[in-house]
Amino acid sequence: ETGVTQTPRHLVMGMTNKKSLKCEQHLGHNAMYWYKQSAKKPLELMFVYNFKEQTENNSVPSRFSPECPNSSHLFLHLHTLQPEDSALYLCASSPGLINTGELFFGEGSRLTVL
Amino acid sequence: AQSVTQPDIHITVSEGASLELRCNYSYGATPYLFWYVQSPGQGLQLLLKYFSGDTLVQGIKGFEAEFKRSQSSFNLRKPSVHWSDAAEYFCAVAEEGSSNTGKLIFGQGTTLQVKP
Repeated sequence: ETGVTQTPRHLVMGMTNKKSLKCEQHLGHNAMYWYKQSAKKPLELMFVYNFKEQTENNSVPSRFSPECPNSSHLFLHLHTLQPEDSALYLCASSPGLINTGELFFGEGSRLTVL
Repeated sequence: AQSVTQPDIHITVSEGASLELRCNYSYGATPYLFWYVQSPGQGLQLLLKYFSGDTLVQGIKGFEAEFKRSQSSFNLRKPSVHWSDAAEYFCAVAEEGSSNTGKLIFGQGTTLQVKP
């Protein structure tokens, strides 16, 4: 039990599908993050939310649409993805923004785009 | 631009041997530095962090790291490796001004294999 739960753990979708990734944290944190982890590449920050407000969009294509309805839940809506979007998508949370401490990661959602 | 370099993509050590994983960073001011570990099928877990003060920091699972400003390095060490330490290790630095962005810059990772 990591305190950060991601669903689904695995997802296969076609390029025309619409799907969503869900992240929930039970730690009482105020900041939540989406990271993309591709093989042989550094983790890439995608989005940051602090107190439900987006504070960072790291030039992510619009086919990825985040949603943060409250400080405990974070979604990543996926639409018309490309095969190169196949990766492990990691959600993380922290008490505040990064310089106050560590990130707590979920186990990730493994996405395959056909 | 800020960056983090982990020169070793893959390292193999024997169980019980000592370990050092290298990390170099580029950063203008005093950095906030982190080491994370990712076991297969898991998310990342913080091993240790350096913000200020003593340049030798202790972490969980018997790991330590030393901040050397003159070498722009933050190498991770463990005196005696256990088979359960086999995982991928990531060095990271908090982006300057990250109190407003929450951005961590990660290295590419080092995969550690432990031989019996």
